[in-house]
Amino acid sequence: KQEVTQIPAALSVPEGENLVLNCSFTDSAIYNLQWFRQDPGKGLTSLLLIQSSQREQTSGRLNASLDKSSGRSTLYIAASQPGDSATYLCAVRSSDYKLSFGAGTTVTVRA
Amino acid sequence: EPEVTQTPSHQVTQMGQEVILRCVPISNHLYFYWYRQILGQKVEFLVSFYNNEISEKSEIFDDQFSVERPDGSNFTLKIRSTKLEDSAMYFCASSAGAGPLYGYTFGSGTRLTVV
Repeated sequence: KQEVTQIPAALSVPEGENLVLNCSFTDSAIYNLQWFRQDPGKGLTSLLLIQSSQREQTSGRLNASLDKSSGRSTLYIAASQPGDSATYLCAVRSSDYKLSFGAGTTVTVRA
Repeated sequence: EPEVTQTPSHQVTQMGQEVILRCVPISNHLYFYWYRQILGQKVEFLVSFYNNEISEKSEIFDDQFSVERPDGSNFTLKIRSTKLEDSAMYFCASSAGAGPLYGYTFGSGTRLTVV
């Protein structure tokens, strides 16, 4: 059974600082890994998708890396802004047809 | 950008009542899913649906739950006799395919409160 862990559970930084969010998973036989953003009481917004054959993906200030062999992914957010405050979820798609989610990292960016 | 649409956004129901949660997936997607998130807990998989049948379901998805694609656009989750522990945010999602290239698009969720 795939287990996904996200560290830290919460993070508070001043505006402008870079953010580093970690995700680890137990079974390296994955199809892909997706990072989502969730605002309080809201849905899940996809940020980045990394296929199992890829090492990283970038979108604007976001960069996600994947080390499948060690079961790790890292989401970097450069030059954080107060609007980046949200919960960030890591989800792993295994060889069957479902996502396994981590518990998320709740980020607060202080103005 | 195409969206997954869920209705209603919030539903309150009495214990033992039947509820139907509705979703309109992205039109050219072929795979459909329901997930739920109990307050303060992880998002967890309920069921996947492809080619008009369930392709996989979790242990949560027991006989009280059913899914249906009644027409070419809607995808529904029915809970026959709701329990207090069914209170959660229910998310519908869809994807264009099942391989490594394909990610999920989620809807904004239906918050179900069972009283």
